[in-house]
Amino acid sequence: EIVLTQSPGTLSLSPGERATLSCRASHSVTNNYLAWYQQKPGLAPRLLIYGASNRATGIPDRFSGSGSGTDFTLTVSRLEPEDFAVYYCQHYDTSPPRTFGQGTKVEIK
Amino acid sequence: EVQLLESGGDLVQPGGSLRLSCAASGFTFSNYAMSWVRQAPGKGLEWVSGIGGGLDDTHYADSVKGRFTISRDNSKSTLSLQMNSLRAEDTAIYFCAKDAIPYNGVWDPFDFWGQGTLVTVSS
Repeated sequence: EIVLTQSPGTLSLSPGERATLSCRASHSVTNNYLAWYQQKPGLAPRLLIYGASNRATGIPDRFSGSGSGTDFTLTVSRLEPEDFAVYYCQHYDTSPPRTFGQGTKVEIK
Repeated sequence: EVQLLESGGDLVQPGGSLRLSCAASGFTFSNYAMSWVRQAPGKGLEWVSGIGGGLDDTHYADSVKGRFTISRDNSKSTLSLQMNSLRAEDTAIYFCAKDAIPYNGVWDPFDFWGQGTLVTVSS
């Protein structure tokens, strides 16, 4: 089972700044089957990125994903007020479980 | 429009049972793998169970294996989760989630989620 470790736990930034979130896997992720989700309080998560670097439908281009193997990054180029939320990475593959990282909270500085 | 509507959450005593349901609409339900994901109060996301295209293609997190059973009724576009021997640590919001791509042997990310149903296990 792959364990995903996200860092930092909390990121304090101002609107307009760049956010860089990390997700490290305990073993190499097959075919870069790595997704990122955004979750706001009281709401269900929303898929942002799949296949490590592909934006999901309707996701603004200020969100980008990169990485391969065991190290992955989610970047928000310029934070908008609505981007302050918790972000999770997730591994998926031919066999479950589909584990999540513990999350990174992006808060307003 | 894809919609997932969970129901069945409740307050239950430790050792008790509960059955959650998820009514799906807006897509060809039988073509997609479906999962349950939970979130304990103030905590992160935990994948609980998934079911693929075949009714016997089921998988569970170690934390619920042997206690929870996932099933689907493709004729009614409904996903279910039978939860037995409930424990305090099962307290969470339970989300129903749909795979992004029609099932082809690969378990995909979740492109649609329900709003969740709250399960509280307490005496």
